[in-house]
Amino acid sequence: QKEVEQDPGPLSVPEGAIVSLNCTYSNSAFQYFMWYRQYSRKGPELLMYTYSSGNKEDGRFTAQVDKSSKYISLFIRDSQPSDSATYLCAMSDNYGQNFVFGPGTRLSVLP
Amino acid sequence: NAGVTQTPKFQVLKTGQSMTLQCAQDMNHNSMYWYRQDPGMGLRLIYYSASEGTTDKGEVPNGYNVSRLNKREFSLRLESAAPSQTSVYFCASSGRQGIVQPQHFGDGTRLSIL
Repeated sequence: QKEVEQDPGPLSVPEGAIVSLNCTYSNSAFQYFMWYRQYSRKGPELLMYTYSSGNKEDGRFTAQVDKSSKYISLFIRDSQPSDSATYLCAMSDNYGQNFVFGPGTRLSVLP
Repeated sequence: NAGVTQTPKFQVLKTGQSMTLQCAQDMNHNSMYWYRQDPGMGLRLIYYSASEGTTDKGEVPNGYNVSRLNKREFSLRLESAAPSQTSVYFCASSGRQGIVQPQHFGDGTRLSIL
């Protein structure tokens, strides 16, 4: 079993839809959780950064962490064509030297 | 503010050739990382440097060497390139050691080995 699992997609949605992206993980030591957005031929760009369980909102983006289920989610409201990208989840233990990335979900938002 | 800068952006090598990928960050970060990204496999850590003067192996270090030249610069060297090293290479940096900070990435070096 991989440490971090993520549905690779592709996921296609119409403009304006609510998008839900998810990752599951197996290592209970993970305490820090991140979401990155990666456009084609670019590096990953940090979107959200959370510690432990709970929700965090930033504009149209909401990150949710459920440590009891080892499950994290990223919600995108009112999705736009400019949101079309690959979304990577990442997580780390308390020491910060064990960052693990999911393989990414490719999202297409159709106008 | 440039963030993390990687050079070159593209490179084609022949099997057996050597080359060095350069990375520099201007965010005064202590930690720096080298990853490779292959289709369906996500980002895999090659080497990292938790602070100036230290380096450690990651998940896939074979065939690579690194040098933390100073706090700003972290280079990755392929001594004898192999076709299996065809990939996109990303450098990243993160903040103060001892406090977990997210990583910030460069835009990558696309490397093809024939």
